[in-house]
Amino acid sequence: AQSVSQHNHHVILSEAASLELGCNYSYGGTVNLFWYVQYPGQHLQLLLKYFSGDPLVKGIKGFEAEFIKSKFSFNLRKPSVQWSDTAEYFCAVKGNAGNMLTFGGGTRLMVKP
Amino acid sequence: NAGVTQTPKFQVLKTGQSMTLQCAQDMNHNSMYWYRQDPGMGLRLIYYSASEGTTDKGEVPNGYNVSRLNKREFSLRLESAAPSQTSVYFCASTPWTAGNTIYFGEGSWLTVV
Repeated sequence: AQSVSQHNHHVILSEAASLELGCNYSYGGTVNLFWYVQYPGQHLQLLLKYFSGDPLVKGIKGFEAEFIKSKFSFNLRKPSVQWSDTAEYFCAVKGNAGNMLTFGGGTRLMVKP
Repeated sequence: NAGVTQTPKFQVLKTGQSMTLQCAQDMNHNSMYWYRQDPGMGLRLIYYSASEGTTDKGEVPNGYNVSRLNKREFSLRLESAAPSQTSVYFCASTPWTAGNTIYFGEGSWLTVV
């Protein structure tokens, strides 16, 4: 069965600091990978996705993620965070062989102005 | 274009009562999902439907049933609600063709007392 692990449950940063959120997955085959963001009181919005090709994926709002197949990882990065990035971030994986989309436990990011 | 619509948005139930959460999408998507979101646990898949006429269990199916009524609609039923089912429920849909993403509804807040 596929699974996703997000190691950081809570992250607190100051504005302009760099961000890296960890995501590791387990699945024995080809995967599709996603990062979603949930702002307070809102539903999930897609930040970026990886299906194939260039393992460095750029998303909205200056976010990017790198798929490292050998490490089963898909870490999310942003060079300089803003107060408006305060939200909860979810990594998700879908194995290519089926339709099950599995989420990690989420990382709550707080950016201090 | 409404996207993914969930009803009701808020509901309070007494233990043992039954209810159905409705979900409809107007994007002609094949696959639909029901998740529950609990603090610190991310989104956990309850049931999904890869296509009209099929349903499959996810990570936490106990206490729930689903119906894929047609291509548009995917309902989630709690036959005998329990306090442990207090959660925020999200419906999602996707066509799952290459490069496509998953679209989420705005969530249904359910409290079982």
